[in-house]
This record gives sequence, structure tokens and C-alpha cells, in this order.
Amino acid sequence: ILNVEQSPQSLHVQEGDSTNFTCSFPSSNFYALHWYRWETAKSPEALFVMTLNGDEKKKGRISATLNTKEGYSYLYIKGSQPEDSATYLCASLGNNDMRFGAGTRLTVKP
Amino acid sequence: GAVVSQHPSWVICKSGTSVKIECRSLDFQATTMFWYRQFPKQSLMLMATSNEGSKATYEQGVEKDKFLINHASLTLSTLTVTSAHPEDSSFYICSARGRRWTGAHSPLHFGNGTRLTVT
Repeated sequence: ILNVEQSPQSLHVQEGDSTNFTCSFPSSNFYALHWYRWETAKSPEALFVMTLNGDEKKKGRISATLNTKEGYSYLYIKGSQPEDSATYLCASLGNNDMRFGAGTRLTVKP
Repeated sequence: GAVVSQHPSWVICKSGTSVKIECRSLDFQATTMFWYRQFPKQSLMLMATSNEGSKATYEQGVEKDKFLINHASLTLSTLTVTSAHPEDSSFYICSARGRRWTGAHSPLHFGNGTRLTVT
């Protein structure tokens, strides 16, 4: 993988559903993987920064895992709420080079 | 903490005019600022990196005479789109990093972005 790829591109879930999405990134020259939450008309807000293979981080109902050997990270949201609706961006930091995915746009319906 | 203010949020200009976008760090000293461009449904593409007091480093394919970046102080960086054309219409967003946040563990602090439309 040469670029950072996120899937799915968009996702619609019902309130209360748990969901997850994927970020794939180049596994060579890897330094860190960032996840950001970007609400419409606001600035992207950092959720997690992970650096070590096997890292797992959690913030409330949101958690993320990291596999640097195979080059992927999962973001999980447990019991989605309408306020979780946003675009979730991941970015991979390599040799002084940070590359972003196109984001997963999550819509949580009440 | 770590608030970045970007102005304007949107701008419409005529072809051939220049547009200046400002990015300010409100509560920290931004030693490094990054400028990105995003086309619809695509990822943020880094245009250039600027360090306070020195010339910006542009990514391959980004015209430095077209996109002038100035980072004259620790709290302000500007991106000027010179002689704008319709193909420059895009979403531009800045992010900043301060002295306290260096290294792989440090997240970026973003502005709200600027939607530029060139008619």
C-alpha cells in the first residue's frame, strides 16, 4: 500500500448500533498513526495518536487498534449516538511525511 | 487549549485576483504550520510546510509562486493564492504544531478551513 486508504467511504447506522471502520497505510517507514474526528464547519479534532504495534487506545465509547506489521488500524464506536456523526480521518506519519486518508463519513440516525 | 483560527471561512473571488488566507494559533506558539488542500471526496493533500522565520517547503507539484506562504511570526501564517483561477477553487485548511508538541506522538491542531470559489 502506497497511500492511506479508509473504508468505507460513508456509513449510516442507527442510534445504539456499534460500528467500526478501517484505515490502511504503508507499513514501511512508519512512525505514527493519527485519528481525527471532523464535524461539519469545525476543525478536525485529534482522537488518538498511536505508534506501537498492538497499541489499543480508548476514549469513552470510541477505541482504536493498530497493526503496524500489516499496516492497518481500526476505529470502533460502541453504541453510536447522533453526536458521533462526523467524518473520521486517519493519517499516517512516515519519514517526515504525513499522509491522510479521505475519511469515513459516519451518520448516526436517531 | 491549542486553538487554531483560520480566516476567512469562505471566499468568492474573480479570476485573476489574489486571495489571502490567515491561520493563527491563539494560545500557543506555532513553530510549524502546514497547509493542505482538499478536493471533494479526496484526502487532505499537503501543499507546504512552513517554519517560523524561514521559507516554506513546498510539496512536489505545488507552485510556490502561485501559493505564497508566509510565516513571519510564531502565531501567524498566511497562504496567498495569487492570480486565482477557477481550478484553484478548493478547500484549504491549515494545521499547526508548537514547541511542546514535537515528535510522532504529537497531534496536529487544525483551523476550520477556507472554502475558496474562483468565478
